[in-house]
Amino acid sequence: EAQVTQNPRYLITVTGKKLTVTCSQNMNHEYMSWYRQDPGLGLRQIYYSMNVEVTDKGDVPEGYKVSRKEKRNFPLILESPSPNQTSLYFCASRSRGGGNEQFFGPGTRLTVL
Amino acid sequence: AQSVTQPDIHITVSEGASLELRCNYSYGATPYLFWYVQSPGQGLQLLLKYFSGDTLVQGIKGFEAEFKRSQSSFNLRKPSVHWSDAAEYFCAVGAVGNTPLVFGKGTRLSVIA
Repeated sequence: EAQVTQNPRYLITVTGKKLTVTCSQNMNHEYMSWYRQDPGLGLRQIYYSMNVEVTDKGDVPEGYKVSRKEKRNFPLILESPSPNQTSLYFCASRSRGGGNEQFFGPGTRLTVL
Repeated sequence: AQSVTQPDIHITVSEGASLELRCNYSYGATPYLFWYVQSPGQGLQLLLKYFSGDTLVQGIKGFEAEFKRSQSSFNLRKPSVHWSDAAEYFCAVGAVGNTPLVFGKGTRLSVIA
């Protein structure tokens, strides 16, 4: 089954404790991205990657890192999480081309205390 | 750069009534347009998309949308709403190439008996 998977689905952590949210897709997509969703603000893009070893900042990259060492994986790293990073995070992927459907993962609910 | 406006934050309709969710976009050329739905606790699922050709597009779950270039709109419609349609709906616009999709802030749909 074609899908985007994220782990963990739920995470509660404390300020300053480094964490990684994994994202993997099995569709051989070139393009992957991370979004955060907050009430009243919709989906805001954090980082995106157009291919292996190619990443770029989205609208809200501060406090986040990403890497794209393999085509299928695109982990999101919070080196020193803060409470304002409490949010719902989505990973997404699509094949090359602006008109192609973007597939979303199920989301990761992160709470930073 | 492209942008999307969803003027309605929250809409309530009665079950069986018709529905129209508004979406206005800004983009200098013919855009790629998408509607996604997010059910409570779920990721985003593609309802329909427009690339070119017929301006009335059909999607899943009985939804349709009409592209109106003169109004820069891509409104989502359904003739008869079911209680299971209660969800958040996002309009998105894409451009030629690998530029990121831009999402609207979403419209939350509530369905009452």
